[in-house]
Amino acid sequence: GQSLEQPSEVTAVEGAIVQINCTYQTSGFYGLSWYQQHDGGAPTFLSYNALDGLEETGRFSSFLSRSDSYGYLLLQELQMKDSASYFCAVRDEGGSYIPTFGRGTSLIVHP
Amino acid sequence: EAQVTQNPRYLITVTGKKLTVTCSQNMNHEYMSWYRQDPGLGLRQIYYSMNVEVTDKGDVPEGYKVSRKEKRNFPLILESPSPNQTSLYFCASSSTDRSYEQYFGPGTRLTVT
Repeated sequence: GQSLEQPSEVTAVEGAIVQINCTYQTSGFYGLSWYQQHDGGAPTFLSYNALDGLEETGRFSSFLSRSDSYGYLLLQELQMKDSASYFCAVRDEGGSYIPTFGRGTSLIVHP
Repeated sequence: EAQVTQNPRYLITVTGKKLTVTCSQNMNHEYMSWYRQDPGLGLRQIYYSMNVEVTDKGDVPEGYKVSRKEKRNFPLILESPSPNQTSLYFCASSSTDRSYEQYFGPGTRLTVT
């Protein structure tokens, strides 16, 4: 099976940069996804890394190190609307290719 | 508009009364999944389906059933609901080649008394 670890909560101020880490243990690792979920809403896909390195999409970037079984989501120029829960999710080759989700990190952005 | 729909959005029921939560997607996706979300536990997969008539258990399948008779629909059935199934439920779908990108429905908040 898989296990994922991410911090339960992170706080930051508007305009700052924040990094949300995710470590995983799985067999047959295929890739790491990130999702955002606002209170009362559905999770929405942010990014996916299959290879080592940094993927940038606007203010958000995601990084993966396969050798360290580690990834992170980097949010720059934080805005109040970035307050949400962020989930990392691992896709592996066991059973299905559908991601298994971590417990999520609650990001609180203060003015 | 590409979307995943779920019904009902809210449901309060009593222990033992069979219920079905419907899920439908209009993106012709092969993969569909059901998740439950509980505080502090993240999203846990209940069942998934890789195509019509192909379903398999996820991490927490006890007390649930699913079926996939048509590609677009993936209903979740609780034959005899119990209070520990009180939760927020999400249906999701994805294509075969981008299974890492799940499209989620709006969620169904279920309370079993």
